[in-house]
Amino acid sequence: QKEVEQDPGPLSVPEGAIVSLNCTYSNSAFQYFMWYRQYSRKGPELLMYTYSSGNKEDGRFTAQVDKSSKYISLFIRDSQPSDSATYLCAMTETSGSRLTFGEGTQLTVNP
Amino acid sequence: GAVVSQHPSRVICKSGTSVKIECRSLDFQATTMFWYRQFPKQSLMLMATSNEGSKATYEQGVEKDKFLINHASLTLSTLTVTSAHPEDSSFYICSATPVVADQETQYFGPGTRLLVL
Repeated sequence: QKEVEQDPGPLSVPEGAIVSLNCTYSNSAFQYFMWYRQYSRKGPELLMYTYSSGNKEDGRFTAQVDKSSKYISLFIRDSQPSDSATYLCAMTETSGSRLTFGEGTQLTVNP
Repeated sequence: GAVVSQHPSRVICKSGTSVKIECRSLDFQATTMFWYRQFPKQSLMLMATSNEGSKATYEQGVEKDKFLINHASLTLSTLTVTSAHPEDSSFYICSATPVVADQETQYFGPGTRLLVL
C-alpha cells in the first residue's frame, strides 16, 4: 500500500464548476500538507500549504486537512480553463525533510 | 519570493557525455535542496537530498557515481549526469527549502528536460 493515495483521474469538468481533489495517507506522523499544481513540461508550483488539521483559503482555492481521518482535500471554486493541470498532494513529517507525493490528478476544465 | 531557477531548461546530448544541471534559489537561502526526476504522466521520484557543505543522501536504487550532486553554497546545487545514456532521458526537477522560521515547504524549479541520443 502506498503511503499517499491520490486518484490519478483524469477529471474533466465544465468551466465554473467546483472541483474537489483528494488524497488519503497512512502515516500518522505527517504534519505538513501541500498542494502543488503542475502544468505540462513545467515544475510544480506551490498552491496551498497547511500545518496540521484545519482549513485554509486563498482566493478560489480551499485546502482542508482532517488528520483524524488521514484525508486532505483541495477545492477549486469557479474553475477556469487555466486551472487545467496536474494537481499533486504532498506531505512531510518535519521541516525540511523529504516530501511524499501522491500520484497527481490530471484536471481539465472545459470552456 | 521563493523563486528557484534551473539551467539549462533543455539539453540534448550524445550518449557517453556528461551533463551538468544547476539549481539556484534566487531570493532565499536553502540549506537543503532536493533532486527529482519525472517520467511522462508520472509523479516525481526523489533521487537525492542535497545539504550545503556535506555529501548528498541518495535514494535506494540511485547510483551516486552516475548522478553527482554538489551543494557548494546556500543558493546553488548542481546535478551532473555522468556518461549519460538514452535511458537517462527524463525531466529533472530540483526543489529547495528556505532557511527561514515557519517556512516548512519546498519550492520547485521549472525543470530541465534531458534528451540523450
